[in-house]
Amino acid sequence: QKEVEQNSGPLSVPEGAIASLNCTYSDRGSQSFFWYRQYSGKSPELIMFIYSNGDKEDGRFTAQLNKASQYVSLLIRDSQPSDSATYLCAVNTGLTGGGNKLTFGTGTQLKVEL
Amino acid sequence: KAGVTQTPRYLIKTRGQQVTLSCSPISGHRSVSWYQQTPGQGLQFLFEYFSETQRNKGNFPGRFSGRQFSNSRSEMNVSTLELGDSALYLCASSRDLFTEAFFGQGTRLTVV
Repeated sequence: QKEVEQNSGPLSVPEGAIASLNCTYSDRGSQSFFWYRQYSGKSPELIMFIYSNGDKEDGRFTAQLNKASQYVSLLIRDSQPSDSATYLCAVNTGLTGGGNKLTFGTGTQLKVEL
Repeated sequence: KAGVTQTPRYLIKTRGQQVTLSCSPISGHRSVSWYQQTPGQGLQFLFEYFSETQRNKGNFPGRFSGRQFSNSRSEMNVSTLELGDSALYLCASSRDLFTEAFFGQGTRLTVV
């Protein structure tokens, strides 16, 4: 089982719709979770950071974390063509007393169609 | 507030050579992590430094090494380059353990 799993997509949604991206992880001790957006040829850009169970909203983005189910999701409301990119889920699998270590999923390609 | 700065942005090296990449983290951030991104393997963790100490290391051969200076700037070195080392090398800056991590623009290394 991979440590961090995402559907590779592509996920296609019409402009203005809600895009829902999902991620599961295997390490129950993981304490912080990230969603990055990466355009082709560019570096990952941090979209959301969450560490507590529940929802966290920032503009059109909402991250949802459920540690019991080992599941983290990202909702993008009012999707725009500029949201078309690869979305990477990352989990900090570092240990307390150790160091940071982000483990990434393979990414979900999102296409927002006009 | 300045972001994470990586230099150089692009490098072309020959097999067998060595290379040094540099990363300057966000001011106040003491943790610097390095990652390799390739189309086949995705993003993979290399190592992490905090206050000049390596705290965590990924599963890469000893040809990959790094260090961190007292001003939190970090360098990574790859010796005896192989064709398979061609990749985008990214560094991430964090204030502390389990906090937000921001990436630099990356260094694209091509080994010929």
